[in-house]
Amino acid sequence: QKEVEQNSGPLSVPEGAIASLNCTYSDRGSQSFFWYRQYSGKSPELIMFIYSNGDKEDGRFTAQLNKASQYVSLLIRDSQPSDSATYLCAVRGGSSASKIIFGSGTRLSIRP
Amino acid sequence: DGGITQSPKYLFRKEGQNVTLSCEQNLNHDAMYWYRQDPGQGLRLIYYSQIVNDFQKGDIAEGYSVSREKKESFPLTVTSAQKNPTAFYLCASSPSRRGTDTQYFGPGTRLTVL
Repeated sequence: QKEVEQNSGPLSVPEGAIASLNCTYSDRGSQSFFWYRQYSGKSPELIMFIYSNGDKEDGRFTAQLNKASQYVSLLIRDSQPSDSATYLCAVRGGSSASKIIFGSGTRLSIRP
Repeated sequence: DGGITQSPKYLFRKEGQNVTLSCEQNLNHDAMYWYRQDPGQGLRLIYYSQIVNDFQKGDIAEGYSVSREKKESFPLTVTSAQKNPTAFYLCASSPSRRGTDTQYFGPGTRLTVL
C-alpha cells in the first residue's frame, strides 16, 4: 500500500462546476496535510494546508480533512480553465515527521 | 526578491560524467530538500538537510551526493553511479523541522543524459 494515494485521473470537469480531488494516507499519526498544484513543466506551488479535522476555505478552494478515515480532499468551486493542472496531495508527520510524503498526483482538466 | 533559485534550468550530461545542480534560498529556512520527478509520477525524496553540516538520505539516495556547508545552499551532485538520471529535479525548503511546516519549491532543473 502506498503511503499517500491519489487517483491519477485525468479528471474532466466542465467550466464553472465543482472539481473534487481525493487523497488517502496510511500513517495514522500524520499531522499536516498539503495540496500543491503543478502545471506541466513547472514546479509545485502550495494551494492549501490543513492540520485539523473539518473544512478550511480559501477563496474558491476548500480542503477537507477526516483523520478517522485517513482522508483529505480538495474542492475547487467555479472551476476555470486555468485550474487545469496536476494536483499533488502531501502528508507530513507521524513516522516521517521530518519529511513530506507526496502522492503521485491527479491530473485535472477543465473543459470549456 | 525572496525565494528559492535553482540552476541551471536545463542540463545535459554525458554518460559517466558527474554533474552538480545548484539550489540557493534567501528565506532563512533551516531545512532543505531534493526531489526527483519522473514523467507522470510524484516526487521522490533524494536527500534532505535540517541543519548546516548535516543531511540524511531519502528514499532514492543511491548515485547522488549532497553538501550543506552554508544555510542558504544545498547543491546536489548526480554521479556516474546513478544509472538513470534523466528527470526533473526539484529543490525545496521549509522554515524548520517541525511537523507542520510547509515546503516551498524552486523552479527545478531538467537533467537529460545524452
